[in-house]
Amino acid sequence: AAGVIQSPRHLIKEKRETATLKCYPIPRHDTVYWYQQGPGQDPQFLISFYEKMQSDKGSIPDRFSAQQFSDYHSELNMSSLELGDSALYFCASSLRPPLAGITYEQYFGPGTRLTVT
Amino acid sequence: KNEVEQSPQNLTAQEGEFITINCSYSVGISALHWLQQHPGGGIVSLFMLSSGKKKHGRLIATINIQEKHSSLHITASHPRDSAVYICAVLPLWKGSQGNLIFGKGTKLSVKP
Repeated sequence: AAGVIQSPRHLIKEKRETATLKCYPIPRHDTVYWYQQGPGQDPQFLISFYEKMQSDKGSIPDRFSAQQFSDYHSELNMSSLELGDSALYFCASSLRPPLAGITYEQYFGPGTRLTVT
Repeated sequence: KNEVEQSPQNLTAQEGEFITINCSYSVGISALHWLQQHPGGGIVSLFMLSSGKKKHGRLIATINIQEKHSSLHITASHPRDSAVYICAVLPLWKGSQGNLIFGKGTKLSVKP
C-alpha cells in the first residue's frame, strides 16, 4: 500500500539559507500535518491543512510558511535558517472524518532530516 | 507538567521477556496512538485506541479512559523490537481530528 512520501530525506543547509520540504500524502487523504522533532525531543506540531486551507497552527516560526496544493501534497518553506532549526521534520496524513465522533488514524512519513550548519 | 507522561523512559530487557510501557495523560482525549520510532527516525503507527484493547501479533495495547491511562505490552520480546515507543493523544477539544500531542517516548533495548 502507498505510504506518505517526504522529500528530500536528508538536507544540509547553511545558516540564513532557505529550504523547502515536500510531503505527498497517502492517495485520497485530504489532511496533512507537519511536526518538528528536535534532537532528543518529542515531536511538536507546526501546522496542518485540510482541503488546501490551513486548519490549525502550532509552534511554527514566522520564518516558516506552508501550503497544500490541489493534488493535496504540501510544502514547508523555511527561510533564514538557524542552527536551532536542525531537526527531523515529519508530515502525517489522514482522511477527514465525515461525522463528528469518528477519528481516523494519522499515517506518518519517513521524515526529512534537516541539518543547518 | 507534560500533558502526556510515559514510563519508563528507558527499558532494557532480555529476549523473550514480557514488556510493559505505560502512558498517562491529563486531558480528555478522542483517541490515543502508540507509535514506534526506529533509530533511522521514521515513525510507524502501531495502534489507535479510544477504548478497550487491541492486539496485533505480539503487541497488545489497552486503554482505561476513566483513569486516563494506557499500556503497551510486548510478549516474547525480540531484539528487533528495540526502538523508541511513543504515546500520542488527540485531545478532545480538537474534535475528532487534529494534531497529536506526544509523550517523550520510551527507549526499549532488547538484548539477545
